[in-house]
Amino acid sequence: GAVVSQHPSRVICKSGTSVKIECRSLDFQATTMFWYRQFPKKSLMLMATSNEGSKATYEQGVEKDKFLINHASLTLSTLTVTSAHPEDSSFYICSARDDRGLEQYFGPGTRLTVT
Amino acid sequence: GESVGLHLPTLSVQEGDNSIINCAYSNSASDYFIWYKQESGKGPQFIIDIRSNMDKRQGQRVTVLLNKTVKHLSLQIAATQPGDSAVYFCAENNTGGGNKLTFGTGTQLKVEL
Repeated sequence: GAVVSQHPSRVICKSGTSVKIECRSLDFQATTMFWYRQFPKKSLMLMATSNEGSKATYEQGVEKDKFLINHASLTLSTLTVTSAHPEDSSFYICSARDDRGLEQYFGPGTRLTVT
Repeated sequence: GESVGLHLPTLSVQEGDNSIINCAYSNSASDYFIWYKQESGKGPQFIIDIRSNMDKRQGQRVTVLLNKTVKHLSLQIAATQPGDSAVYFCAENNTGGGNKLTFGTGTQLKVEL
């Protein structure tokens, strides 16, 4: 089946630093990828839609200057958490929509801890 | 606003029994629905999907039922196994609108031996 990878799986950073998370579709092309955030025992909340070759579309309440998204190719999207603070600590999950259909495939997630 | 919700936050079943997880959605424009399984510390895993022109779809040990009249979705797992223990999310998509998923709140399924 379709595989989506995320890197890193876990990251600990100091407050004020920036962290980049990569999302790759390994065996299919994805013009559209999505970034979600999930707090413990909560559902996934869509942060933004990442579109290859164009600007990302952010959900209401998500700061685009804090969560920078770059969709450089049909298989790679990156999320950069800038000037991270402890409240940014969360589980970040990406998904990629196969260009051939509707289905979204999810990555394994990245656990971010800001100290 | 639009929302997708689940009736029960936790469901406990005996191994071998059938499980039924329910979901209510409110966006009448949604035309594509998906069930995901999420194990602790991992990303969601696709289980089964259904389009709005269907009311039932079966997979291996799983069945999804869609009732558009009352905006209700259910996931049935036959012969539940310990490996089925996880959080289950329903998600809806209005493919002709925003074409993005809205997730429900999730149900924790616990399988007792």
